[in-house]
Amino acid sequence: RKEVEQDPGPFNVPEGATVAFNCTYSNSASQSFFWYRQDCRKEPKLLMSVYSSGNEDGRFTAQLNRASQYISLLIRDSKLSDSATYLCVVNKNYGGSQGNLIFGKGTKLSVKP
Amino acid sequence: DAGVTQSPTHLIKTRGQHVTLRCSPISGHKSVSWYQQVLGQGPQFIFQYYEKEERGRGNFPDRFSARQFPNYSSELNVNALLLGDSALYLCASSPTWGQASYEQYFGPGTRLTVT
Repeated sequence: RKEVEQDPGPFNVPEGATVAFNCTYSNSASQSFFWYRQDCRKEPKLLMSVYSSGNEDGRFTAQLNRASQYISLLIRDSKLSDSATYLCVVNKNYGGSQGNLIFGKGTKLSVKP
Repeated sequence: DAGVTQSPTHLIKTRGQHVTLRCSPISGHKSVSWYQQVLGQGPQFIFQYYEKEERGRGNFPDRFSARQFPNYSSELNVNALLLGDSALYLCASSPTWGQASYEQYFGPGTRLTVT
């Protein structure tokens, strides 16, 4: 089983739609969770950290379920500018390794007019 | 404030050659990590350095090596290049090491093509 798995995508949605991305991680010792956004041929950029209590930043809401080892990202009222690949990321703080980010394969989102 | 900077932005090498990639972290950040991203995949961890010491190593062959300098900048070296080393090499900086919750910020990457 891969350490971080995401929905395969791609997701093609109209402007204004609500879209949800799901992610699971394999090691219960993982402690930090993030969503990164990556535009085509650019570097990943931190979108938001994910906390156990859930957190919201404008149109973006992230949730963490430690019992199910599941992370989600909800985007409301999608904009054309939201088109990108969304990467689920877990900090590998186990096995003697700290600070090693484990990335999912990413889910591509295309928002159409 | 400047973000993470990397050089060069693009590089073309032939099989068997050696390459050195450079990274300068965000001012005040003491930890640098290197990642390899091949097309269609998420970045894969190569190394992490903090205070000039290697703090983590991913599953890469010994052809890959790195170091960190007193000013916290870093170099990634790859020897005996293979076609499969063609990728985007990303450097990420973070304030510290040894804590689970810190965030990492990426530079624009160096796109390496091996022919």
